[in-house]
Amino acid sequence: QITLKESGPTLVKPTQTLTLTCTFSGFSLTTAGVGVGWIRQPPGKALEWLALIYWNDDYHYTPSLKSRFTITKDTSNNQVVLTMTNMDPVDTATYYCAHSPEYPTTYFDYWGHGTLVTVSS
Amino acid sequence: SYVLTQPPSVSVAPGKTARISCGGNNIGTKSVNWYQQKPGQAPVLVIYYDNDRPSGIPARFSGSNSGNTATLTISRVEAGDEADYYCQVCDSRSDGLRVFGTGTKVTVL
Repeated sequence: QITLKESGPTLVKPTQTLTLTCTFSGFSLTTAGVGVGWIRQPPGKALEWLALIYWNDDYHYTPSLKSRFTITKDTSNNQVVLTMTNMDPVDTATYYCAHSPEYPTTYFDYWGHGTLVTVSS
Repeated sequence: SYVLTQPPSVSVAPGKTARISCGGNNIGTKSVNWYQQKPGQAPVLVIYYDNDRPSGIPARFSGSNSGNTATLTISRVEAGDEADYYCQVCDSRSDGLRVFGTGTKVTVL
């Protein structure tokens, strides 16, 4: 059974760096084809894909935000970490991590419950 | 960047058919996935690769994709189908950009 869970701060100040961790079980990020992605959703708004890392260390970021992102994986601890620099109130959103079973065509078949991050001074 | 446009809302009576469009430039050349999201919950994959259903998703959900429009069809709509629906593609020509649509609120009358 595949499960994912997001963790990190619920409140960050503007200009600070946000670090989110996705801890997963039921699959390995050493298995060919597998990836883990991050998606966010501002309150009342649409989903926005942010970043994705695959078993082979291939990674992608959404172009408009890529200068602020770093995505890494820790296969020993079954975790994927997303770091976002220079946080702004517009980054207030629920952040989800999700499992992607096939490379390179991506769909997300298992999602975490999400974690709400508020950016405010 | 690649843009996917959906109607903001669709209303349908129970037992009828709902069709949700997803417009994008030559979207027919890409694989389209669809997600259902109920209030306060994470999205759930309902269609992948245009018209494949994950296990546990009823056959009432189907998809099609051609030209500049992909469509999610929900047959014999039930009250439990009321939710937001999002289309999503992978644009391999844009460094693997993954894109979600603008979302459609389906209301069951």
